[in-house]
Amino acid sequence: KQEVTQIPAALSVPEGENLVLNCSFTDSAIYNLQWFRQDPGKGLTSLLLIQSSQREQTSGRLNASLDKSSGRSTLYIAASQPGDSATYLCAVAPFQGGSEKLVFGKGMKLTVNP
Amino acid sequence: DAGITQSPRHKVTETGTPVTLRCHQTENHRYMYWYRQDPGHGLRLIHYSYGVKDTDKGEVSDGYSVSRSKTEDFLLTLESATSSQTSVYFCAISEWPGGEQYFGPGTRLTVT
Repeated sequence: KQEVTQIPAALSVPEGENLVLNCSFTDSAIYNLQWFRQDPGKGLTSLLLIQSSQREQTSGRLNASLDKSSGRSTLYIAASQPGDSATYLCAVAPFQGGSEKLVFGKGMKLTVNP
Repeated sequence: DAGITQSPRHKVTETGTPVTLRCHQTENHRYMYWYRQDPGHGLRLIHYSYGVKDTDKGEVSDGYSVSRSKTEDFLLTLESATSSQTSVYFCAISEWPGGEQYFGPGTRLTVT
């Protein structure tokens, strides 16, 4: 059974730092991996989706990498800002058994202090 | 933002009563999903739909049923609500299986 882990569960940093958020998964047979952001009391916002054949994806200050063989993905946030404060979740779509059935990590709560 | 609305946004109900949550999309996406989000468990898939009248179970489907009579609407029903179903429920959509999923704003359900 696929398991997705995000460590640490929370992180507090000063504004301006470059950040690396980690996501690990137990089964390397994935279709893709998606990173989301969730603000308090809100739904999830899709940030980046990496297909299993890709190594990385970029959107603005965000860069996500994928290493299937080691079961890891990282989300890099450059020059963090207080507005980046949110919970970040990663989710993997399995290659077999239904790629529509995302398996989520429990998220990492990020606080960026001014 | 993807055009996804959920209703109601908040609901308090008593144990044993039926509850129906509605998800409405304006994107004409084929796939629709219902998740629940609980502290310590994260997001878990309840049911999903891959077309009108086509649905399948997710990880935590016991005690829930779904229906989809139109492309734009996906209903989640708790036939007899229990306190363990107190949660935040999210609807999501995608164009194809494994495609990028877009989430609605959520419904906070409290069962007393």
